[in-house]
Amino acid sequence: AQKVTQAQTEISVVEKEDVTLDCVYETRDTTYYLFWYKQPPSGELVFLIRRNSFDEQNEISGRYSWNFQKSTSSFNFTITASQVVDSAVYFCALSEAGYSSASKIIFGSGTRLSIRP
Amino acid sequence: DGGITQSPKYLFRKEGQNVTLSCEQNLNHDAMYWYRQDPGQGLRLIYYSQIVNDFQKGDIAEGYSVSREKKESFPLTVTSAQKNPTAFYLCASSPRTTQGPYEQYFGPGTRLTVT
Repeated sequence: AQKVTQAQTEISVVEKEDVTLDCVYETRDTTYYLFWYKQPPSGELVFLIRRNSFDEQNEISGRYSWNFQKSTSSFNFTITASQVVDSAVYFCALSEAGYSSASKIIFGSGTRLSIRP
Repeated sequence: DGGITQSPKYLFRKEGQNVTLSCEQNLNHDAMYWYRQDPGQGLRLIYYSQIVNDFQKGDIAEGYSVSREKKESFPLTVTSAQKNPTAFYLCASSPRTTQGPYEQYFGPGTRLTVT
């Protein structure tokens, strides 16, 4: 069965600090996809990244970076030089391949990140 | 602007009443989804639809019903059979793809309170 674990329920850091959000997943499939979403206080989920299981290259987008390690079934997310606007709940998610046009995504329970000025 | 709209933002109902949550998208996406989010928890899938006139139950479909008569619309009815309906409901959509699951795009959500 699929499962996504975000062990950090809440994290609070001071602005400009770096912060890493952990994500550990479980799946029996060899082909799968991982996602990160951001949910600001407004409530709408914002897509951040999609990564397939065959691509283990780390990715960097501005202050955001992602570390995908199949050996430890982890897909961690790092924010460098955090800003107050980064305060949100962040969800890691997993989807197995094989569905047709609908992708059934399993979400972790989320990590609430608070950036203090 | 292209996107997903959900209305209303806040909804209040008395116990025993059915209530329908609206979800409309103009992204021309084939697939649409309904999720429920409870405080401190992740999203749980209620129903999803791959194409017009077709939909499948998700993980927590009991007490809910949906319809997909138009590509752009996927309303969710919370029936009186749903034992704990107070929650934040999110609608999402995704395009058809042959290259694995595509990311989903979310609406702003409807916060339903039943008393």
